[in-house]
Amino acid sequence: AQSVAQPEDQVNVAEGNPLTVKCTYSVSGNPYLFWYVQYPNRGLQFLLKYITGDNLVKGSYGFEAEFNKSQTSFHLKKPSALVSDSALYFCAVRDNTGGFKTIFGAGTRLFVKA
Amino acid sequence: GAVVSQHPSWVICKSGTSVKIECRSLDFQATTMFWYRQFPKQSLMLMATSNEGSKATYEQGVEKDKFLINHASLTLSTLTVTSAHPEDSSFYICSAGIRDSNQPQHFGDGTRLSIL
Repeated sequence: AQSVAQPEDQVNVAEGNPLTVKCTYSVSGNPYLFWYVQYPNRGLQFLLKYITGDNLVKGSYGFEAEFNKSQTSFHLKKPSALVSDSALYFCAVRDNTGGFKTIFGAGTRLFVKA
Repeated sequence: GAVVSQHPSWVICKSGTSVKIECRSLDFQATTMFWYRQFPKQSLMLMATSNEGSKATYEQGVEKDKFLINHASLTLSTLTVTSAHPEDSSFYICSAGIRDSNQPQHFGDGTRLSIL
């Protein structure tokens, strides 16, 4: 069965420090991987995706993510955190064998302290 | 980027009334729309998937007679919560996408439903 794990409920980081939000997945075949961000009382906003190619993908607002096939991970990173990055982050995976069902992780709340 | 519009953003109504939530894809034709429910500090719970012109596929445990979904066109899907009760109070989010593509789903801003 497909699954996505975000092992940390919450990540705390000081402004200006690098941040990492972890995601591991279990899916057959070669998955499509996504990161979304959710601000309070809003829907999810797309940040970035991995489809194929370079393992390091760059997305919106300075975020990037590294795909590691052997570790089945897709961690979200940013070199220098901003207070405005504080939000709820979701990792998502979709298999590429057909269909359109996307599995979302439980979410990780990021707090960036000034 | 693609825009999905969801209305209303906030609804407060009495127990027993029915509430309709609209989800529109404004700048692309969505073959597939999804409806999610989100409880406080929790992840998204997929309620149903609807493809344009066909019946929605409901997830296990979701009452199809309670949560009526219509996807009459490639740009519009509606969720109607029938005879709503306080336990139906939640944050409902719609999402739209193109089937069999590698493009991400695009989300509406959600509807906060409060049943008194």
